[in-house]
Amino acid sequence: GNSVTQMEGPVTLSEEAFLTINCTYTATGYPSLFWYVQYPGEGLQLLLKATKADDKGSNKGFEATYRKETTSFHLEKGSVQVSDSAVYFCALSVPGGANSKLTFGKGITLSVRP
Amino acid sequence: DTGVSQDPRHKITKRGQNVTFRCDPISEHNRLYWYRQTLGQGPEFLTYFQNEAQLEKSRLLSDRFSAERPKGSFSTLEIQRTEQGDSAMYLCASSPGLDGEKLFFGSGTQLSVL
Repeated sequence: GNSVTQMEGPVTLSEEAFLTINCTYTATGYPSLFWYVQYPGEGLQLLLKATKADDKGSNKGFEATYRKETTSFHLEKGSVQVSDSAVYFCALSVPGGANSKLTFGKGITLSVRP
Repeated sequence: DTGVSQDPRHKITKRGQNVTFRCDPISEHNRLYWYRQTLGQGPEFLTYFQNEAQLEKSRLLSDRFSAERPKGSFSTLEIQRTEQGDSAMYLCASSPGLDGEKLFFGSGTQLSVL
């Protein structure tokens, strides 16, 4: 079946530090890959996505590259801000099926200190 | 675009009682999803509607759970004879109906079963 594995958290960084959050996946077919973010008190929202191998998704200074050979989609940001404090979820969907349901990882909490 | 809205935001109930949650998707979205999220876990897929048709149900959805989407607009999720294990955040999401697309999530209904 389909699954997503995220690195264990939580992660605490100082402002302007470099961020990497690891994500690997197992899927049948060729999934689309996503990073969703949940800010305190808010609903999940899409951060970025990539739909095929070697695609790079980017948004708000965050980037992730779809690596088919390592089945990974690691999230990176060169300089985090306090406002990036949130819970980050890696997810996949398998296109060509009846719907676009997402399979999520467990999520990781990021706290950024001033 | 007013986003996906869910009601109520919080629900506290006693074990054995029935509860019903409502989701209003973005108006032009024909796909609607329900997810459940417990503490420290990512959201887990429960069920999916294409317009008014319920096309997929997870094994997580026991026979105490029922979902409807009359007329393909809002949706309700009912839990009968609630158990303490039903305590979770119930999330609703909608999408316009394309593969590999992003889902728009509501803020969720937090259920506590005492």
